[in-house]
Amino acid sequence: DTEVTQTPKHLVMGMTNKKSLKCEQHMGHRAMYWYKQKAKKPPELMFVYSYEKLSINESVPSRFSPECPNSSLLNLHLHALQPEDSALYLCASSQVGPGGMNTEAFFGQGTRLTVV
Amino acid sequence: GENVEQHPSTLSVQEGDSAVIKCTYSDSASNYFPWYKQELGKRPQLIIDIRSNVGEKKDQRIAVTLNKTAKHFSLHITETQPEDSAVYFCAASSLEYMRFGAGTRLTVKP
Repeated sequence: DTEVTQTPKHLVMGMTNKKSLKCEQHMGHRAMYWYKQKAKKPPELMFVYSYEKLSINESVPSRFSPECPNSSLLNLHLHALQPEDSALYLCASSQVGPGGMNTEAFFGQGTRLTVV
Repeated sequence: GENVEQHPSTLSVQEGDSAVIKCTYSDSASNYFPWYKQELGKRPQLIIDIRSNVGEKKDQRIAVTLNKTAKHFSLHITETQPEDSAVYFCAASSLEYMRFGAGTRLTVKP
């Protein structure tokens, strides 16, 4: 199983809503990531979890709140988002090798988020 | 932090020609350099990668070269086919994170 599964595939939410994005993998990967991708742009790193602990937060606004409840799951809680937060949110996972997390990252198909 | 620059931003070639995409990176600690292909509406997928202890790697029509001294690496696609049309991202990865270049939109004309 080399799948990273993200739900939902599409999400439309109002600026006062609270919603969550979910990501799941069963490859035994201990590093999981959230990326944000705007149209015609590269994925931008948001958060990195290593062994279920947050290791990198790329100065993401607090209206985005990540959570890693166990080694297979990664959530992104959304609250009071702005229209400019509309984007494709990609989850990825990778092994943690002897030299760190510099191994192949497997991406989920993403959640296309629209904030209205 | 790491900064990855990628050129060109768009590339159009005739079917059967070769395509070359170039990237530079800034962090000398980066030691893993993957290339991802992203088709419209789909997830990025790894097509080839190279580690800093290797200068060149080839997989059928795709090859990647790395010059650690100059901090640049390149993707070479030979005998291009229309299905190679997509956006290609280079990336540089150190111990904790992977950063992407801005992407190259490759169009292969039949």
